[in-house]
Amino acid sequence: NAGVTQTPKFRILKIGQSMTLQCTQDMNHNYMYWYRQDPGMGLKLIYYSVGAGITDKGEVPNGYNVSRSTTEDFPLRLELAAPSQTSVYFCASSLLAGRYNEQFFGPGTRLTVL
Amino acid sequence: GDSVTQMEGPVTLSEEAFLTINCTYTATGYPSLFWYVQYPGEGLQLLLKATKADDKGSNKGFEATYRKETTSFHLEKGSVQVSDSAVYFCALIGGYQKVTFGTGTKLQVIP
Repeated sequence: NAGVTQTPKFRILKIGQSMTLQCTQDMNHNYMYWYRQDPGMGLKLIYYSVGAGITDKGEVPNGYNVSRSTTEDFPLRLELAAPSQTSVYFCASSLLAGRYNEQFFGPGTRLTVL
Repeated sequence: GDSVTQMEGPVTLSEEAFLTINCTYTATGYPSLFWYVQYPGEGLQLLLKATKADDKGSNKGFEATYRKETTSFHLEKGSVQVSDSAVYFCALIGGYQKVTFGTGTKLQVIP
């Protein structure tokens, strides 16, 4: 049981390039989330999904896209990378929603846009 | 909207010292409260939680009590170890699926 896995661990992009951050969970969780973590700013929700085929925007969705074709996978796409997207990205999943929503996090992807 | 305020870090303590990390919150309704820990190079892990007033969450020697009257959920540990060095995040869930995190408090424990 690997939990939540993310690839790559590190990536450097040039302005305007695109990339996909991969996220996979093997816990059969319906709910999945993407966050970004900026220094001193805590975590901000980018997108989330309540099940395969269903996604919705979080607080900071601009510049990102997601898809959820299977329960296990929830990739995050950056189409035109900008320096403001330099951050650490975390994927998370949960079995339940609402007030009992314990989230399980992946190890993160550190992205630098130059 | 919902918000979580944590004490500024970093916090530096000697081994076996007493730890308190303050957390206060603003939320509509009746939130659940959480403490997550992030060890260097890793993702966040749930440390403890409380879902109603006066509940005490505890794990690995850490404790926090849900205080509705003071809207607080302070994290405490009686005797910290070097291995407790990490960043600690207070969080709440005030509405369906929405988790609000504090900015994190970095703890460094020196031998």
